Amino acid sequence: SQELEQSPQSLIVQEGKNLTINCTSSKTLYGLYWYKQKYGEGLIFLMMLQKGGEEKSHEKITAKLDEKKQQSSLHITASQPSHAGIYLCGAGRGGSQGNLIFGKGTKLSVKP
Amino acid sequence: GAGVSQSPRYKVAKRGQDVALRCDPISGHVSLFWYQQALGQGPEFLTYFQNEAQLDKSGLPSDRFFAERPEGSVSTLKIQRTQQEDSAVYLCASSFGDWEAFFGQGTRLTVV
Repeated sequence: SQELEQSPQSLIVQEGKNLTINCTSSKTLYGLYWYKQKYGEGLIFLMMLQKGGEEKSHEKITAKLDEKKQQSSLHITASQPSHAGIYLCGAGRGGSQGNLIFGKGTKLSVKP
Repeated sequence: GAGVSQSPRYKVAKRGQDVALRCDPISGHVSLFWYQQALGQGPEFLTYFQNEAQLDKSGLPSDRFFAERPEGSVSTLKIQRTQQEDSAVYLCASSFGDWEAFFGQGTRLTVV
């Protein structure tokens, strides 16, 4: 079965610094999703990548999917306290886009 | 409604008690998903509905777990004879066909 490994497990950065979170799949990805979760809340959809080499950006967050479609990275530029939370990558299991397998998450803390 | 609504937000159950968790999806969303998220882990898929049909229940951990969506809208996840290992956040998500899934805030179940 497919597994997603995220690294690092947790990250503490100073406000204004850049950071990268990685997600590696044991199998080829056919749809890679990034979500953000704050403690006690649901998941907020960030971005979805499907094609090898694809890159998407929203505000200060950029997500990339490598050419082999087995690894994705999430890069945050000039981090802010509002970026703090748990970042989860998810891979499609087939069928609807809500049918996902998730990594364990990366907990991001941003120190002001 | 504006988003996916789950109730209750928090539930404390005595071991052996039955519980029912409710999910109100976004109006018009055909697909509905239930996930279980243990502390420090990513969400794990439980079951999937398309309208009122339960198309995949492979993630339900035991026959104590039962989900229904009788009219293709509101869904209920029922757990019978709760055990301590059932303590988790239960997340519901809905999507309109193949578009991205929107998650509710979850129900935090604690079994004592």
